[in-house]
Amino acid sequence: SAVISQKPSRDICQRGTSLTIQCQVDSQVTMMFWYRQQPGQSLTLIATANQGSEATYESGFVIDKFPISRPNLTFSTLTVSNMSPEDSSIYLCSVGVIRTDEQFFGPGTRLTVL
Amino acid sequence: QKEVEQNSGPLSVPEGAIASLNCTYSDRVSQSFFWYRQYSGKSPELIMSIYSNGDKEDGRFTAQLNKASQYVSLLIRDSQPSDSATYLCAVINNNDMRFGAGTRLTVKP
Repeated sequence: SAVISQKPSRDICQRGTSLTIQCQVDSQVTMMFWYRQQPGQSLTLIATANQGSEATYESGFVIDKFPISRPNLTFSTLTVSNMSPEDSSIYLCSVGVIRTDEQFFGPGTRLTVL
Repeated sequence: QKEVEQNSGPLSVPEGAIASLNCTYSDRVSQSFFWYRQYSGKSPELIMSIYSNGDKEDGRFTAQLNKASQYVSLLIRDSQPSDSATYLCAVINNNDMRFGAGTRLTVKP
């Protein structure tokens, strides 16, 4: 199975700033996703990262707040813009297997906004 | 109604017992179902996938699916303290993966 890495693994940021999270996969994958997991909560899909086109956002998430890039089939970034303490969460990227619908998750980025 | 519902627990079982985790889903046309295990501070790890009615066994884990009842479960036989984690049920809904809130399982030595 693919090896997925994320950078940074954690960060503490000041409100009003932005943080870009990177997701790198060691093989080409078609499907990449970004999730948020707030403290004590389950996973919520933010968007599907589409290679070569704009990401597809879920209800409640907008491009201005969470811009996503997907320049190729092994890499994606998620930016959390103009952060507030409510953005403190774990952000996870995942890769999907089209044939089985299975998804495999990266190690996550733990973000704390002060 | 939530798309995927789980009993949040906590569920506590003694070592060696069978742990039973349950999940219901709202979208009758869902076709793919998954169980993830998440240790504290770690990302979710896929442990079972099931697509058709009936049982699917993998080692100590058995997933059960009943599409008519919109119900999927996970049985863990011979539970070990290392099985203590949060178990997330996930369902494919309109090509997106939706997660339940998770059930926290504690296996006591």
